[in-house]
Amino acid sequence: DAKTTQPPSMDCAEGRAANLPCNHSTISGNEYVYWYRQIHSQGPQYIIHGLKNNETNEMASLIITEDRKSSTLILPHATLRDTAVYYCTSSGGTSYGKLTFGQGTILTVHP
Amino acid sequence: GAVVSQHPSWVICKSGTSVKIECRSLDFQATTMFWYRQFPKQSLMLMATSNEGSKATYEQGVEKDKFLINHASLTLSTLTVTSAHPEDSSFYICSASPQGGWGTQYFGPGTRLLVL
Repeated sequence: DAKTTQPPSMDCAEGRAANLPCNHSTISGNEYVYWYRQIHSQGPQYIIHGLKNNETNEMASLIITEDRKSSTLILPHATLRDTAVYYCTSSGGTSYGKLTFGQGTILTVHP
Repeated sequence: GAVVSQHPSWVICKSGTSVKIECRSLDFQATTMFWYRQFPKQSLMLMATSNEGSKATYEQGVEKDKFLINHASLTLSTLTVTSAHPEDSSFYICSASPQGGWGTQYFGPGTRLLVL
């Protein structure tokens, strides 16, 4: 079973920030939080990952709460091409590199 | 970097035939690859872990004799769906990491299989 829970869908206006939440209260202390997205009929695309500290790259920012029970993926300026299913998952620890995917969040960016 | 390819991108076959899907790491070596399956409107489900030079490890409920995995080199893993049936129609996706099984997984573009 997935160790993460996400809202099934979210909307965002183009050019605005998209904040996607994820609850992962049961992951172990040495498991990383990973975010991927999947555009229709394609393989998942890696976005970002983190363990304890907040992370930022050219695609997004990841904010992890101090207790590591939840995190938020931030797309600072959403575009129409960011419309996709976003998956929050975990890897590492006893999970090795295996990723368990939940249902994800369908993000729809509208003009 | 960290590009993973799959071939073919889609395949249509008759019931009872076997289909081979290739997964290649193009710019890195992968001692471990993972195979996933995704049915329409559902999430990805891990099928098996492919280990170079050794037997694959299958997830519970996945028939190892039906889904044959061969990881003969550090850049290639193959998944063969034997005696395919319409219920095997799905989207098959592989992943691999330059850091082996522990690192960030990068996914292939997927192979869509339709069994008639």
